[in-house]
Amino acid sequence: EVQLLESGGDLVQPGGSLRLSCAASGFTFSTFAMSWVRQAPGKGLEWVSVISSSRGTTYYADSVKGRFTISRDDSKNTLYLQMNSLRADDTAVYYCARGGKSSGHMDVWGKGTTVTVSS
Amino acid sequence: DVVMTQSPLSLPVTLGQPASISCRSSQSLVYSDGQTYLNWFQQRPGQSPRRLIYKVSNRDSGVPDRFSGSGSGTDFTLKISRVEAEDVGVYFCFQGTHWPWTFGQGTKVEIK
Repeated sequence: EVQLLESGGDLVQPGGSLRLSCAASGFTFSTFAMSWVRQAPGKGLEWVSVISSSRGTTYYADSVKGRFTISRDDSKNTLYLQMNSLRADDTAVYYCARGGKSSGHMDVWGKGTTVTVSS
Repeated sequence: DVVMTQSPLSLPVTLGQPASISCRSSQSLVYSDGQTYLNWFQQRPGQSPRRLIYKVSNRDSGVPDRFSGSGSGTDFTLKISRVEAEDVGVYFCFQGTHWPWTFGQGTKVEIK
C-alpha cells in the first residue's frame, strides 16, 4: 500500500526552527517529485515547496523562500522540510504529497503533522 | 502568481441533485508541452485532501463516476451528477502549470 507518514510537528517559539519528516512506503520513492503543502487553521491549502526526483531541483512559495529548505534522502525513502525563522503565520498542518507534472501532481497525501508557532 | 478563483464558495445541495463548481485562473493553464495541469481535490471533514481529477478531466482510481471535470484555458468546472452524503466537504482546484503552484480558495459542499 502506498503511504506517506509525516512527523516532527511541534509547538515552537517565534524565531525558532523545526524539521519535518515524511516517510514514504509502498512505491519507488526516488522516482517521484515530492511536495509540502500546508493548511492554516480553518483556511485553505497553500503549496509550500517541491523537490524533483533525480537531480533534486527545488522550488518554494515566496512566503517561505529563504527560511525553509526541502530535501530528500532516497536511501531512507524520506522527505524533509527544514523550517527556520518561524513566524506565527507558519502555524498550520503540514502535508507531504507525492508527484509532479509527470504523475499529474499530488496523487497521494499523508495525514499531516501540526506545527504551532507561539510564545 | 496565478490566481485561482472558485465559485461558489458555499454550495448547499439536495441529496441526489447535481452540483457544479467553477474555477477560473488568471492565466491560461496550458503548459509548453500542450498539457493543462489543473486538478481537483476533495477534503472531507477531518481528513487529508484527496485528488479526484487531474489534468482537467482524468478521474483518479476509485473516484466514483458521478464526478467529472471539464474546461480549458482559464475556465474549468467540477460536476457531481448526483450528490451523496459522502460528498460533503471542501473542494479545491489547483494549477501546476505556472510557478508558484496555487490552489483555489475552496468550495464547501453541504447537504441542505
